[in-house]
Amino acid sequence: NAGVMQNPRHLVRRRGQEARLRCSPMKGHSHVYWYRQLPEEGLKFMVYLQKENIIDESGMPKERFSAEFPKEGPSILRIQQVVRGDSAAYFCASSPRQSVRTDPIEQYFGPGTRLTVT
Amino acid sequence: AQSVAQPEDQVNVAEGNPLTVKCTYSVSGNPYLFWYVQYPNRGLQFLLKYITGDNLVKGSYGFEAEFNKSQTSFHLKKPSALVSDSALYFCAVRAPSNTGKLIFGQGTTLQVKP
Repeated sequence: NAGVMQNPRHLVRRRGQEARLRCSPMKGHSHVYWYRQLPEEGLKFMVYLQKENIIDESGMPKERFSAEFPKEGPSILRIQQVVRGDSAAYFCASSPRQSVRTDPIEQYFGPGTRLTVT
Repeated sequence: AQSVAQPEDQVNVAEGNPLTVKCTYSVSGNPYLFWYVQYPNRGLQFLLKYITGDNLVKGSYGFEAEFNKSQTSFHLKKPSALVSDSALYFCAVRAPSNTGKLIFGQGTTLQVKP
């Protein structure tokens, strides 16, 4: 069973360009989380999606960032007009079902996409 | 607000010695706690979790963690460290919402020397 796949692993963008990060969850998983890891910091939650639905986007910056998880294909995290402060590692995690209060299941993480904005 | 603190940026231990990586938390309600490990240029790997019940939780690779409600701590332990245990360790708490998002500590680098 392949793990969570993310591509590209490394992405370099100039300021003002768009960045598209892809995440394919583990087989059988329909819940996807995106986290951002800034240098010297822990991971910060960005967004939680199920197929075709954004469930929680409380960690997403208000502008330039968007995410989707279509019925077919990978989840996409899109950053428009990137700035240097967007340079970070972006991790995707998946789980087979929703983590409810009585069943806090673990998330399985991908290898991350390291975005560098020059 | 929910938070996790890992008070040590780095822990150094000799191979064969016991190791402890510290974690304290602040949550409202019952805490659901996790430990993950990150090797260089890799994603996070799940080690163990505490939901309820026995305060000593056993996980992967010989790791265990002790939940202490009165001290609001969830320290990661291993009786005998290996050089291959050298990595970045994250403690996390599940936010009380129903979405399952995790709140992470800032991470502790474990260095095991031969």
